[in-house]
Amino acid sequence: AQTVTQSQPEMSVQEAETVTLSCTYDTSESDYYLFWYKQPPSRQMILVIRQEAYKQQNATENRFSVNFQKAAKSFSLKISDSQLGDAAMYFCAYRSAGGNQFYFGTGTSLTVIP
Amino acid sequence: DTAVSQTPKYLVTQMGNDKSIKCEQNLGHDTMYWYKQDSKKFLKIMFSYNNKELIINETVPNRFSPKSPDKAHLNLHINSLELGDSAVYFCASSRRQGYEQYFGPGTRLTVT
Repeated sequence: AQTVTQSQPEMSVQEAETVTLSCTYDTSESDYYLFWYKQPPSRQMILVIRQEAYKQQNATENRFSVNFQKAAKSFSLKISDSQLGDAAMYFCAYRSAGGNQFYFGTGTSLTVIP
Repeated sequence: DTAVSQTPKYLVTQMGNDKSIKCEQNLGHDTMYWYKQDSKKFLKIMFSYNNKELIINETVPNRFSPKSPDKAHLNLHINSLELGDSAVYFCASSRRQGYEQYFGPGTRLTVT
């Protein structure tokens, strides 16, 4: 089974600064999808960003961007101009192109300091 | 127009009781899932159905039984509840291949 590793259980960032959350994964597949989900205190799981492995270009969504390094099996999330509302648990997830199962990391708790 | 809905959002019950959590999605997705999130926020897949067919059945006690009457609904029934069943249970849905999951709001189950 694929594994997803988030090595930073907790991170903090000053408001308006930039922070990068790390994620690595282990797979022998060549075609897959990667996701970052955000879970604020409300507990709702919200999709932040999605990356297709066949695309070399890194995905971006407003202040959120990824650094996808396929050879290194790394998929980090960069949050620019951090806002108080970014404080949440962030989960990295993997899904193979032909499969139904999602594999989640253990999460990184992000604190935003005013 | 809630995409994935779950009822109830909170459930407090005593050990030994039987309870159900209902999930409905109006996104037209083929695949639905149940996850358990423990107190450390770890998300564990429990079950997945594709077009009413069980496709993922992780190692969970057989006190947990999913039921999918149609592809828009996936319910979770739990028999003989135990203290360790206390957690947040999430329902999710996705298109068959390659796409993200959409999650319900979660059901916080507390067993006393």
